[in-house]
Amino acid sequence: QQQVKQSPQSLIVQKGGISIINCAYENTAFDYFPWYQQFPGKGPALLIAIRPDVSEKKEGRFTISFNKSAKQFSLHIMDSQPGDSATYFCAASSTSNTGKLIFGQGTTLQVKP
Amino acid sequence: GAVVSQHPSRVICKSGTSVKIECRSLDFQATTMFWYRQFPKQSLMLMATSNEGSKATYEQGVEKDKFLINHASLTLSTLTVTSAHPEDSSFYICSARDSKTRIRGELFFGEGSRLTVL
Repeated sequence: QQQVKQSPQSLIVQKGGISIINCAYENTAFDYFPWYQQFPGKGPALLIAIRPDVSEKKEGRFTISFNKSAKQFSLHIMDSQPGDSATYFCAASSTSNTGKLIFGQGTTLQVKP
Repeated sequence: GAVVSQHPSRVICKSGTSVKIECRSLDFQATTMFWYRQFPKQSLMLMATSNEGSKATYEQGVEKDKFLINHASLTLSTLTVTSAHPEDSSFYICSARDSKTRIRGELFFGEGSRLTVL
């Protein structure tokens, strides 16, 4: 119930294309769903986050789509750039509980020039 | 955004020695900090939740006597890997939650500490 399942494991996209990463969860107590970007040897950095009261959130080229009934959420990176090449993690937490984040397995994105 | 500092960023030690890693929230108070471990090309695995002024809560399978956590102030948590062995070599990452905005759920991560045990 604590798991967050992420797919695909790796993704190759051409520059200018759309990158889509999907996540699914089981625990209905989760109420905070962030996406993190991580470069090799660095800690994860928060990209964008969403709560279940909205179905979509957009910040610049990054959009989260959220489907509460399906318990799924996804990250869309529009106009993907080589600088976006990194590992992306979805995560989930219950803010009324300890707030600990449970991470998905990660997706390695490569954007080809 | 809020800054979390980890030190050291890299440490190499001999098998059998203990290593301490510090995690500081620089511009906010954090009653709760989290310690994660990450192996190469894998996800972040939560090790323990560090609570200021009380004992840490460890995740299942994490040895509390091997990974000592102390959260002595609102801005500092430490992780001590005791009697380190090569299998403890990993990337350790801490994160902190701003006590004033905890309900928002945001966690701020440090840059990580690479531990290599020879």
